[in-house]
Amino acid sequence: DTGVSQDPRHKITKRGQNVTFRCDPISEHNRLYWYRQTLGQGPEFLTYFQNEAQLEKSRLLSDRFSAERPKGSFSTLEIQRTEQGDSAMYLCASSQDGYTEAFFGQGTRLTVV
Amino acid sequence: GQSLEQPSEVTAVEGAIVQINCTYQTSGFYGLSWYQQHDGGAPTFLSYNALDGLEETGRFSSFLSRSDSYGYLLLQELQMKDSASYFCAVCLNAGNMLTFGGGTRLMVKP
Repeated sequence: DTGVSQDPRHKITKRGQNVTFRCDPISEHNRLYWYRQTLGQGPEFLTYFQNEAQLEKSRLLSDRFSAERPKGSFSTLEIQRTEQGDSAMYLCASSQDGYTEAFFGQGTRLTVV
Repeated sequence: GQSLEQPSEVTAVEGAIVQINCTYQTSGFYGLSWYQQHDGGAPTFLSYNALDGLEETGRFSSFLSRSDSYGYLLLQELQMKDSASYFCAVCLNAGNMLTFGGGTRLMVKP
C-alpha cells in the first residue's frame, strides 16, 4: 500500500462550475477525513466517515459541498457552483480507528478563476 | 469555539534545540498531536500525547500538561531538512477529528 492517494493533484475551474475530487485511503483504514487548507493556515476539518457512514460535518461544509463514501472504501468530495473563496488545498486523511494516527494524502489544489 | 495558539515563526541553527509551544482552548480534548508539513507536501504525523508527560521519539519529543492546556514539541540536533511548518492539533473526540493550530514555520540555518 502506498498510502492515501488523491486525484487530481491540481484543478483549475471557472467560477460556477462543479468539481469532484477523489480520495483512496489506506486499505484497512475505516476512518476517512476531509480537510481544507489555505496558504499559511492549518488544515480545517470538513467531514469524516466511519466506513460508509458520514458521522460529522463541519459548519464550513455549506450545502454546495457534498461528500460520499459509497462502499466504505474511496470517497468523493463534490463542490457545486464553485466560488473564488473555495480556492484551497483539499486534504484527505485516513486512520485505522478513532485512536490512531491519521495519514494524509498529498491533497488536491483547487483554483477557482 | 476552539482555539490553538502557537508561534508563527521560529529560526534556529543546525545542531541546536528548539521548542515549539502550543496552548489550546477547546470544548473537548482527547489528546494533542503534532504534524510536520514541508512546502507543497502532506502533513506527516510526528507524535500524540493523551496523558501528561513527555513522549520521546528519536530527535523529537512532545510534552503535554492537560491542567495547563499546554504542550510543546522539542526538536533536538536540528538538521536542515527539519525546515518545515509544524502544527499542533487537538483531537476533540473519539472520532479523531482534529482541530489544527495555525502552524509554526521553522527555518533551520547553517
